[in-house]
Amino acid sequence: GAVVSQHPSRVICKSGTSVKIECRSLDFQATTMFWYRQFPKQSLMLMATSNEGSKATYEQGVEKDKFLINHASLTLSTLTVTSAHPEDSSFYICSARVPGVADTQYFGPGTRLTVL
Amino acid sequence: QKEVEQDPGPLSVPEGAIVSLNCTYSNSAFQYFMWYRQYSRKGPELLMYTYSSGNKEDGRFTAQVDKSSKYISLFIRDSQPSDSATYLCAMSYTGGFKTIFGAGTRLFVKA
Repeated sequence: GAVVSQHPSRVICKSGTSVKIECRSLDFQATTMFWYRQFPKQSLMLMATSNEGSKATYEQGVEKDKFLINHASLTLSTLTVTSAHPEDSSFYICSARVPGVADTQYFGPGTRLTVL
Repeated sequence: QKEVEQDPGPLSVPEGAIVSLNCTYSNSAFQYFMWYRQYSRKGPELLMYTYSSGNKEDGRFTAQVDKSSKYISLFIRDSQPSDSATYLCAMSYTGGFKTIFGAGTRLFVKA
């Protein structure tokens, strides 16, 4: 199946710093990638949809200036959490839509962000 | 009313049992139906997907879609402790851009 990687898998940072998370499709080109946030024992919350070469579409309530998304190539999307605060601590997961395979998404392994 | 309803569980069964996981939905436009398995602290893994109504089988897993009832199911036969995970249903519609996920059902299979 399609493989999506994420880096880093875990990051701890101080409050006020910025953190960048990378999402890569390893064996296919992904024109559309998604960024989710997941709190413990809760389901996935879609944050934004990232399209290669264009601006990301953010879900209602998600601050675009705080969560910067860049989809510069067909295999890479990045999420930057700017001026992170403890309430931004969460599990962030990216996914990529595989072209021509129904409407399925393949997920990365996730990044655990802890803001001190 | 949520677009997709899924009982969060937890559901605890003995090893070897048949497990039935279900979701209901309200949007009749949904055409694609997926089941994902998520182990703790990992990203979801696509298990099965189905287009429109009907059954689909893959090994010990069977997915069923009943569009008339707006009800989908995932059956796991001969459940194993390694099946212990959270199972998320998901659905979307043709031409739609967003996939809607259920809350996930936590499954525990006891040895």
